[in-house]
Formats: sequence, C-alpha cells, structure tokens
Amino acid sequence: AQSVTQPDIHITVSEGASLELRCNYSYGATPYLFWYVQSPGQGLQLLLKYFSGDTLVQGIKGFEAEFKRSQSSFNLRKPSVHWSDAAEYFCAVGANTGNQFYFGTGTSLTVIP
Amino acid sequence: GAVVSQHPSRVICKSGTSVKIECRSLDFQATTMFWYRQFPKQSLMLMATSNEGSKATYEQGVEKDKFLINHASLTLSTLTVTSAHPEDSSFYICSADDSTYEQYFGPGTRLTVT
Repeated sequence: AQSVTQPDIHITVSEGASLELRCNYSYGATPYLFWYVQSPGQGLQLLLKYFSGDTLVQGIKGFEAEFKRSQSSFNLRKPSVHWSDAAEYFCAVGANTGNQFYFGTGTSLTVIP
Repeated sequence: GAVVSQHPSRVICKSGTSVKIECRSLDFQATTMFWYRQFPKQSLMLMATSNEGSKATYEQGVEKDKFLINHASLTLSTLTVTSAHPEDSSFYICSADDSTYEQYFGPGTRLTVT
C-alpha cells in the first residue's frame, strides 16, 4: 500500500541555519513526489515537484529536494532558513492512476532568531 | 498558473443545518476534483474523489449521505455538509487535477458548527 512518512513531527532551527526535512515513501511504481508548505489557516502552496529526470529539483523560496530511489526518499533542503519559513511542511506522493495523493503527517518548522 | 478558489473561506452554522462549499478551477478544466479534511495540527485526509458528471468515490469511513459531493461541470465541484454537528467543524480543502499528475489546491474553508 502507498504511504508517506515524515519522521520529524516538529523541527526547530535558528535563522540562517540549514534545513533538511525528511520524507520517505512506499509506492509500487515510479512516484510523483511533491512538497507543499502551509501557513496557519491557509491552503497548500507547492514548493517543488519531481516527476522524472534530474533527481535534484529546485523549487520556490530557495528550497530544493533530492529523489533517491534506493532510499525511497525525497528530502527537502534549504541552505539558509528565514524566519518567514516557519510553517507546516507536507510531503506527498501522487499515484499515476487516478492521481490520488497520499500525504505525510507533516513537519512543523519553528525558526528562532 | 492554475488557480483553484473556494467559497466561502469561513462559515459558521448552527447544529442541524446544512452548508455548501464551492470549489472552482478558474483557468483550467478539471476532470477530477478532490475533497480533503484537515483537523488542527494534522495532515490532510482525503474524503472523496469526484469526476465531472459521475458520482463521487468516497474514502472508507466517510459518510456519503452526510458529505454530498456534486461535480456538475469541469470547473465546479460542491461539498454539502448535511445536518452539520460540532464534530464536523474542520478545515476543508479541495483540489483539482488538470490531467498532468499535479493537483492544485484551493485556499480552504474553515467550517465551525455551533
């Protein structure tokens, strides 16, 4: 069965520090992978996506993610975090039939000055 | 880019009444739309998948008679919460698929049942 795991429920980093949010998935075929960010009371904003090709993908707001098939991972990174990055981050896997999405449980990011 | 709107953004209703939430794809045709529910500090839970002109497919545990979904056109899907109760209070998010394996999410609707 398809599933997405985000092992870290909550992460706190200092402003200017680097960030890595982990995402592991279980999917039988080649996955379509997404990272979304959600501010309180808001909808989801797409940060980046991976469908095929280069396994290192660049997104908005300085984020990037790397698809590692051997590890079934799609970790999100940012070299220098800004206070405005504090939010909830969701990893998702899209099925290539029916386009159903499977979301991870989310990682809450706190940025301290 | 593809834009999905939801209306209303917030709604408060009394227990026992029904409330309708609209989801529109503004600049593309959506053959499939999805409805999610999100509790505070939790992830999105898929409620149902709707295809234009056909009945919605509900996830296990979701009451189809309580959460009525209508996908009347390629740009509009509605979710009606019937006989709402306080436990139905939640954040409801819709998304639309433009057949490119990507979903575009609406801004969400905060439902409060008093």
